[in-house]
Amino acid sequence: GENVEQHPSTLSVQEGDSAVIKCTYSDSASNYFPWYKQELGKRPQLIIDIRSNVGEKKDQRIAVTLNKTAKHFSLHITETQPEDSAVYFCAAPRPLHGSSNTGKLIFGQGTTLQVKP
Amino acid sequence: ETGVTQTPRHLVMGMTNKKSLKCEQHLGHNAMYWYKQSAKKPLELMFVYNFKEQTENNSVPSRFSPECPNSSHLFLHLHTLQPEDSALYLCASSQALEVRETQYFGPGTRLLVL
Repeated sequence: GENVEQHPSTLSVQEGDSAVIKCTYSDSASNYFPWYKQELGKRPQLIIDIRSNVGEKKDQRIAVTLNKTAKHFSLHITETQPEDSAVYFCAAPRPLHGSSNTGKLIFGQGTTLQVKP
Repeated sequence: ETGVTQTPRHLVMGMTNKKSLKCEQHLGHNAMYWYKQSAKKPLELMFVYNFKEQTENNSVPSRFSPECPNSSHLFLHLHTLQPEDSALYLCASSQALEVRETQYFGPGTRLLVL
């Protein structure tokens, strides 16, 4: 089955610096990788996702890169701001009987990002 | 934000109590999910429903019993829980049971089992 490892578990940066969170997955058939952000006391929300037919996707200050060969994908946040402080989760599909399209996601352990003003 | 709502937001129960968590989505989605979020652990998928039919029971103990009377409502009935069941229980929904469909989460129910 799929296994998703996320690192680091905590990350502290100064405001304005960049932050990078990395996830590795085990199933080479995985083809969709979302990132969720969960602010303290709030619900997880999708912030960006990437499909396996592209290597990078950007949305303003956040970007996700995918290395299918190495089976890892990363979240990049540039010019970090205090409101970026949250727990970030990566996820990958959980395959079933060789299909990667089961509607079910396996989440990483989460990274607590703290942006210091 | 009212897309996915959950009640109650906080619940304290004894190990012999019976309680129910409720989730409602106002997005017209067809798939609904229950997740358990414990400290320092990944989100754990518990149950999945698609068009009211349960498609997944991720080896969840029988003291957790889900119910989905229609595509908009999802319940989690709790009975004789253990202290280790204390966690944040999150409901989510998506348009279809397709992994590339965004899952929208509710605010969660913070459960404490004494």
